[in-house]
Amino acid sequence: GQNIDQPTEMTATEGAIVQINCTYQTSGFNGLFWYQQHAGEAPTFLSYNVLDGLEEKGRFSSFLSRSKGYSYLLLKELQMKDSASYLCAVTDSNYQLIWGAGTKLIIKP
Amino acid sequence: GAVVSQHPSWVICKSGTSVKIECRSLDFQATTMFWYRQFPKQSLMLMATSNEGSKATYEQGVEKDKFLINHASLTLSTLTMTSAHPEDSSFYICSARVTRGSEPQHFGDGTRLSIL
Repeated sequence: GQNIDQPTEMTATEGAIVQINCTYQTSGFNGLFWYQQHAGEAPTFLSYNVLDGLEEKGRFSSFLSRSKGYSYLLLKELQMKDSASYLCAVTDSNYQLIWGAGTKLIIKP
Repeated sequence: GAVVSQHPSWVICKSGTSVKIECRSLDFQATTMFWYRQFPKQSLMLMATSNEGSKATYEQGVEKDKFLINHASLTLSTLTMTSAHPEDSSFYICSARVTRGSEPQHFGDGTRLSIL
């Protein structure tokens, strides 16, 4: 079966760095997405990785290792507004998007 | 760019009512649109995938006769829920994608549906 695992919840301190991990087992791979979803709102696109390595976008970076079926989202200089759920999603060989359950990130002052 | 507009944003209606939600891609043509449902504190659940000009593909457990999806143009998909019941109360979100593969799905703002 297809499976995406990410921690259910994480807590971090304002100004710190946090890494949210995602591991996947899917039938084929055509890219991995990270989305941010604030409570009561729709998801917004953060990043896309299809090749191994690190993609940096301001305070957010996303890493991919295809051989390990592993990705992480790194958030630096955390702000209170970063409190949200972070969703990992993988496109399989049929271009179906498989969603993880999301990681709820709680930022404390 | 890549803006998706979803309307209405909030619906409150009586049990047995038919509810229609529209999803529009404002500045791009969406070959594929997706309809999701999300219950409080739960994950996004894909309900159906629609490609312009063809029948929607429904996920297992989703009643096709209850959730009618029409994707008549490259910029508009509609979800019509016939005879909504209180257990259908949820957050419904649409998304659109230009092509498959590396294009991300762009989400509408969602429709919060409360059936009394």
